[in-house]
Amino acid sequence: DVKVTQSSRYLVKRTGEKVFLECVQDMDHENMFWYRQDPGLGLRLIYFSYDVKMKEKGDIPEGYSVSREKKERFSLILESASTNQTSMYLCASSLDRARHFGDGTRLSIL
Amino acid sequence: GNSVTQMEGPVTLSEEAFLTINCTYTATGYPSLFWYVQYPGEGLQLLLKATKADDKGSNKGFEATYRKETTSFHLEKGSVQVSDSAVYFCALSGSYGKLTFGQGTILTVHP
Repeated sequence: DVKVTQSSRYLVKRTGEKVFLECVQDMDHENMFWYRQDPGLGLRLIYFSYDVKMKEKGDIPEGYSVSREKKERFSLILESASTNQTSMYLCASSLDRARHFGDGTRLSIL
Repeated sequence: GNSVTQMEGPVTLSEEAFLTINCTYTATGYPSLFWYVQYPGEGLQLLLKATKADDKGSNKGFEATYRKETTSFHLEKGSVQVSDSAVYFCALSGSYGKLTFGQGTILTVHP
């Protein structure tokens, strides 16, 4: 089974902090994704990557950046956290069109 | 652009009732269609998928048929269980594998 591991289940940070969310997958998948999940809005794509050191903006990239230095690891960075970034963040990887998701990180920005 | 519209929730059913969650889509080309399920406190899991018109995806008693003429992919189960309580997401995969999700439907099943 594919395993996608997110480093934290719950995280509380303060406004203005730089926040790192880490994601690791163990199936050698080329593709990795970061989504945020908000009630009534479903999942929205923040950034994705099709290869090491490669990144593409998704639908809502503002206020975020990403890093993919190794194939198995994809990091999401909140450059200066704001309260409207309080959300559930989901990482996923894929080989084909289906996604394999991690359990999510519930991030609160105070 | 692509879009997915799901039935408004929440949906509340008694155990052994019949379930339908409606999903319609707008897309160019020939998308693949998916249903994902999210159990409390967990990430999303792929429930079933269909890659072309008239395909039927099925898993764990759930079924959905890719209907190109009505642009729909409704999720059905003949007899739900309490353990089916979760959030269900319809999604489509369009160009370059980009996945577009519906807003999710909360299902609660009572004993």
